[in-house]
Amino acid sequence: GNSVTQMEGPVTLSEEAFLTINCTYTATGYPSLFWYVQYPGEGLQLLLKATKADDKGSNKGFEATYRKETTSFHLEKGSVQVSDSAVYFCALLFSSGSARQLTFGSGTQLTVLP
Amino acid sequence: ETGVTQSPTHLIKTRGQQVTLRCSSQSGHNTVSWYQQALGQGPQFIFQYYREEENGRGNFPPRFSGLQFPNYSSELNVNALELDDSALYLCASSLAQSGAYEQYFGPGTRLTVT
Repeated sequence: GNSVTQMEGPVTLSEEAFLTINCTYTATGYPSLFWYVQYPGEGLQLLLKATKADDKGSNKGFEATYRKETTSFHLEKGSVQVSDSAVYFCALLFSSGSARQLTFGSGTQLTVLP
Repeated sequence: ETGVTQSPTHLIKTRGQQVTLRCSSQSGHNTVSWYQQALGQGPQFIFQYYREEENGRGNFPPRFSGLQFPNYSSELNVNALELDDSALYLCASSLAQSGAYEQYFGPGTRLTVT
């Protein structure tokens, strides 16, 4: 079946530190991959996406590259800010019949200290 | 462009009762998906609606049901509530014809079953 494994948190960094959150997946075929971010008390916001191997998604300084050979989609940011504190979810999108559904990892809590 | 909205924000119900949650999709989107997010977990796919019909379902019992209306808004109904149904319920809308099938989430409805 399809599944997503994320590095376990919580992760605590100082402002301006480098961030990596690991994500690996298991899937049949070639799913699209996404990172979503959830701020306290809110729904999920789409952060970035990649739809095929070697694609790099990027947004707000965050980047992730779709690596088919390692089935990975690690999230990186060169210099985190306090405002980046949130829970980050890696997800894959696959087709089941005519539906397209997201399968999520368990999330990684990031806290950035000033 | 109007984003995804959900109502109510919070809800408290008693075990055995029934509940209806509502979702208005983002302008121009024709597909609605519902997810259940238990505390500290990633969202789990419940089902998806397209053209007013359910076109995919996750591992949830039949007491979880839904509707989609001609204006693409949607309802999630849960009968015979159980304590384990306590969760954040997220609605996501998307455009079936788009290439990457991004799903955009609403703020969620927090359901507490006592």
